[in-house]
Amino acid sequence: AQRVTQPEKLLSVFKGAPVELKCNYSYSGSPELFWYVQYSRQRLQLLLRHISRESIKGFTADLNKGETSFHLKKPFAQEEDSAMYYCALSGRNGANNLFFGTGTRLTVIP
Amino acid sequence: DTAVSQTPKYLVTQMGNDKSIKCEQNLGHDTMYWYKQDSKKFLKIMFSYNNKELIINETVPNRFSPKSPDKAHLNLHINSLELGDSAVYFCASSQGGGGFTDTQYFGPGTRLTVL
Repeated sequence: AQRVTQPEKLLSVFKGAPVELKCNYSYSGSPELFWYVQYSRQRLQLLLRHISRESIKGFTADLNKGETSFHLKKPFAQEEDSAMYYCALSGRNGANNLFFGTGTRLTVIP
Repeated sequence: DTAVSQTPKYLVTQMGNDKSIKCEQNLGHDTMYWYKQDSKKFLKIMFSYNNKELIINETVPNRFSPKSPDKAHLNLHINSLELGDSAVYFCASSQGGGGFTDTQYFGPGTRLTVL
């Protein structure tokens, strides 16, 4: 069965400091991994996906199959990065269902 | 304004009532979804649906039923509401027939409170 684990419920960093939001997954096949973000009073939206290998708003995430991790990183946190971040997994098992982690609330302290 | 929209935004109702939440997408997507976000912010898939297939998460009680009058709409009907149904419900949609790499676009959510 698939599972996504985000060990940190809350994470606070100072502005300009590096930030890493952890995500580990469990899946028997080759999953597609995503990071979704929800800013205050806004809808949930896609931040990035591992298959695109892109950097969005300065964030990157590398899929490490050996460690089954997909940690989200940014070298210099900004105040506008404060939000709820969800790691999600989709598998090749039929429907395009997303399985979410429990989320990490990131607060960037000015 | 192209988007996924949901109505109502807030819904407060008594236990035992039957209610519906509407979802519409004007993105031309083929597949739509319902998610439940509980009080601990945990997001869980409830249904995925395209014109060929409805896939139900087996943990969803049969009091919940999705109804799709057309490709652009997937409404959520809930019968005999219970206190534990209080949550935020998110609708989402994606292009294509449900390929696992499709990006999902989310509605703003409907906060349901059962008293």
